[in-house]
Amino acid sequence: EAAVTQSPRNKVTVTGGNVTLSCRQTNSHNYMYWYRQDTGHGLRLIHYSYGAGNLQIGDVPDGYKATRTTQEDFFLLLELASPSQTSLYFCASSGTPNTGQLYFGEGSKLTVL
Amino acid sequence: QQQVRQSPQSLTVWEGETAILNCSYEDSTFDYFPWYHQFPGESPALLIAIRPVSNKKEDGRFTIFFNKREKKFSLHIADSQPGDSATYFCAASMDSNYQLIWGSGTKLIIKP
Repeated sequence: EAAVTQSPRNKVTVTGGNVTLSCRQTNSHNYMYWYRQDTGHGLRLIHYSYGAGNLQIGDVPDGYKATRTTQEDFFLLLELASPSQTSLYFCASSGTPNTGQLYFGEGSKLTVL
Repeated sequence: QQQVRQSPQSLTVWEGETAILNCSYEDSTFDYFPWYHQFPGESPALLIAIRPVSNKKEDGRFTIFFNKREKKFSLHIADSQPGDSATYFCAASMDSNYQLIWGSGTKLIIKP
């Protein structure tokens, strides 16, 4: 069974705060993704990567940075958090680009006050 | 235009009925169409997927019907069970692009 682990599961910060969301996958997958999920918008892609050191911009990248340090680890950074970034964040991995199955982590609920 | 439209936003059916969820797209280069389901408090998981070489894909009670000419595809859930209650997302992508384009989701409630 594919395994994607996110941390923290819940985070509360204030406007202007610094947040790092972490994701680790043990599937030996090359592709990793960060999504945000908001009611009425479904899943929106923030950043994705197809290997260590690689980073690609998704559909809603503004206000987010990401870094893929190893094949296993993908981080999402919010350096000046804003209330509009309050959301449920999902990390996912796949063995092939998007025509293969995406395996999602448990999600990280971020609240920016 | 890379967009996937999903309807209805919410759907309630009685146990045993067939639930029908609909999606449409505009980009004719899409060639992979998955459906994911998401139970409350959980993450999305792949349910079933189809490629345009077929106009129908079945997996137990779940069937995708695909109409390439009209650029529409639908998920039929036969003999709906209360345990099928979840949010269902359709999506589309193409081999040349890493991105899955997601529909906005249908919240399905099955009443016993």
